[in-house]
Amino acid sequence: DSGVTQTPKHLITATGQRVTLRCSPRSGDLSVYWYQQSLDQGLQFLIQYYNGEERAKGNILERFSAQQFPDLHSELNLSSLELGDSALYFCASSVGAGKGEPQHFGDGTRLSIL
Amino acid sequence: GDSVTQMEGPVTLSEEAFLTINCTYTATGYPSLFWYVQYPGEGLQLLLKATKADDKGSNKGFEATYRKETTSFHLEKGSVQVSDSAVYFCALSEGAGGTSYGKLTFGQGTILTVHP
Repeated sequence: DSGVTQTPKHLITATGQRVTLRCSPRSGDLSVYWYQQSLDQGLQFLIQYYNGEERAKGNILERFSAQQFPDLHSELNLSSLELGDSALYFCASSVGAGKGEPQHFGDGTRLSIL
Repeated sequence: GDSVTQMEGPVTLSEEAFLTINCTYTATGYPSLFWYVQYPGEGLQLLLKATKADDKGSNKGFEATYRKETTSFHLEKGSVQVSDSAVYFCALSEGAGGTSYGKLTFGQGTILTVHP
């Protein structure tokens, strides 16, 4: 058990809809990362928050947004969903925000767009 | 930009065989290097890491050495077990413009299957 909790585990929805993925980091971790894993793109970094502030942005679409709340949990919002958004979305957390910090991953949310 | 290239899989071995999974990277600075493992239905788990040249990361019988001259971080294990069957990811993180970022850039992953 990594200590990182992601909900829900599975999400099935239709094109054009909006969903929210939730992540609770390990106790004591201030940094939260979101990654997308798909068969064609592999594991791609989306966005990082550190102590409530956006720290780094990766290949995140404009239809996607995220935030980290004062209690350090984070949410990833995906809107105007397309078939190609079907993927496994991982949240990870670490104590700090630097390059040597090991990240602890949740079990992911599997998003299926019908 | 940064990139990580892993040997193509899948890799199939018999129990107690020697394992090598090759990983090379491209980075502008001095990245930290990681190996993560993903078991079916689970998230990624950190296997080992190295933060500077010539560092050797090790864990659970797995080893990898940070080779700056060859920009490589190959994963090795002397004797694999059936329980090592999983997907293995090589990854790096580095900074830019004086800022150190934690975001990971991953290789494509290598599927390892170990038969009894």
